[in-house]
Amino acid sequence: ETGVTQSPTHLIKTRGQQVTLRCSSQSGHNTVSWYQQALGQGPQFIFQYYREEENGRGNFPPRFSGLQFPNYSSELNVNALELDDSALYLCASSPEHTTTDTQYFGPGTRLTVL
Amino acid sequence: QQQVKQSPQSLIVQKGGISIINCAYENTAFDYFPWYQQFPGKGPALLIAIRPDVSEKKEGRFTISFNKSAKQFSLHIMDSQPGDSATYFCAASKASNTGKLIFGQGTTLQVKP
Repeated sequence: ETGVTQSPTHLIKTRGQQVTLRCSSQSGHNTVSWYQQALGQGPQFIFQYYREEENGRGNFPPRFSGLQFPNYSSELNVNALELDDSALYLCASSPEHTTTDTQYFGPGTRLTVL
Repeated sequence: QQQVKQSPQSLIVQKGGISIINCAYENTAFDYFPWYQQFPGKGPALLIAIRPDVSEKKEGRFTISFNKSAKQFSLHIMDSQPGDSATYFCAASKASNTGKLIFGQGTTLQVKP
């Protein structure tokens, strides 16, 4: 059974650029959640996708957007990058979108904005 | 708005000792309280979780104690080992919010041999 994978591992961008991060969910999981983890902080919920539809969003501006594909993999897109967007971006998948389901996290993508 | 507050920020324990990490929450609608363990360069991994209908849950060396009236819950690691050295996060969520986990700020645990 393959776990959650994310790509790329690391990424360096400059302010104002756009970035796309990718996540492959664990086999059999139809729900993907994205979190932002700033250095020394706990992860913060960005949004969740369930069966290709956004299913809940945290307190992030619209320049954070996402997609989920028919195979349940997902992308996180961030436009007009700001310095404060520098963080570890985590993807988590779960079998269903209910809170009692364990969320399995990937290793994350480290984004640095210069 | 910090809905889940975690303490201490860091903790040093001798091998074989008990590690205790505390969390307090504000929203009484929360009904799921997991603890995650994160090693450097890795994503968080679920350790143990509890729902508010029980006051304690034990899995191996890990125990969650839950105090609904005080809106507090804690993680106890018995017989702490150097391999337990990691960052621990408490979290909370509510059923109506479909899987949105609210995390605490984390506790870095170092277990000395």
